[in-house]
Amino acid sequence: EAQVTQNPRYLITVTGKKLTVTCSQNMNHEYMSWYRQDPGLGLRQIYYSMNVEVTDKGDVPEGYKVSRKEKRNFPLILESPSPNQTSLYFCASSLFGGRSEQFFGPGTRLTVL
Amino acid sequence: KQEVTQIPAALSVPEGENLVLNCSFTDSAIYNLQWFRQDPGKGLTSLLLIQSSQREQTSGRLNASLDKSSGRSTLYIAASQPGDSATYLCAVVHTNAGKSTFGDGTTLTVKP
Repeated sequence: EAQVTQNPRYLITVTGKKLTVTCSQNMNHEYMSWYRQDPGLGLRQIYYSMNVEVTDKGDVPEGYKVSRKEKRNFPLILESPSPNQTSLYFCASSLFGGRSEQFFGPGTRLTVL
Repeated sequence: KQEVTQIPAALSVPEGENLVLNCSFTDSAIYNLQWFRQDPGKGLTSLLLIQSSQREQTSGRLNASLDKSSGRSTLYIAASQPGDSATYLCAVVHTNAGKSTFGDGTTLTVKP
């Protein structure tokens, strides 16, 4: 089944403890992206990647890191999480960046205490 | 900076009614516009994608239009059903690299 998977789906952590949220797609898509969704602020793009080793900042990249070493994986890294990073995170992928339909993962609900 | 606005924020209609959701964007230099559906606590489901060169797309009871020059898109839902109740989001991709901006969504309630 063609899909975007994220792990973990739920995570409660404490301030400052490094964490990684994984994202993987099995559709051979070139483009992948991370978003966060917050009440009243909507969905905002964190980082996106057109291909392996190519990443760009979205609208809210502060406090996050990404890497794209393989086409299928695009992990989101929080080196020192803070409570303001408590949010619902979505990973998405598309065949090509600007001209293709985006497919979303199921989301990761992160709580930073 | 691209800004995307969706009006109304919430809409309640009786079953069977036809309805229109609106999405407007400030920069007409877009690559595509995509409509999504999101159920409470769930992920986003793609409904329709309109390329910048297209005027509309249809899928079943859904029809989406795009007017780049005026910075507007509409999502028309025919013969609404209670199962259509969800939040509808529009997103514009405004670079070839995939930089995207979402609207805040319209929460639709269809009453039986």
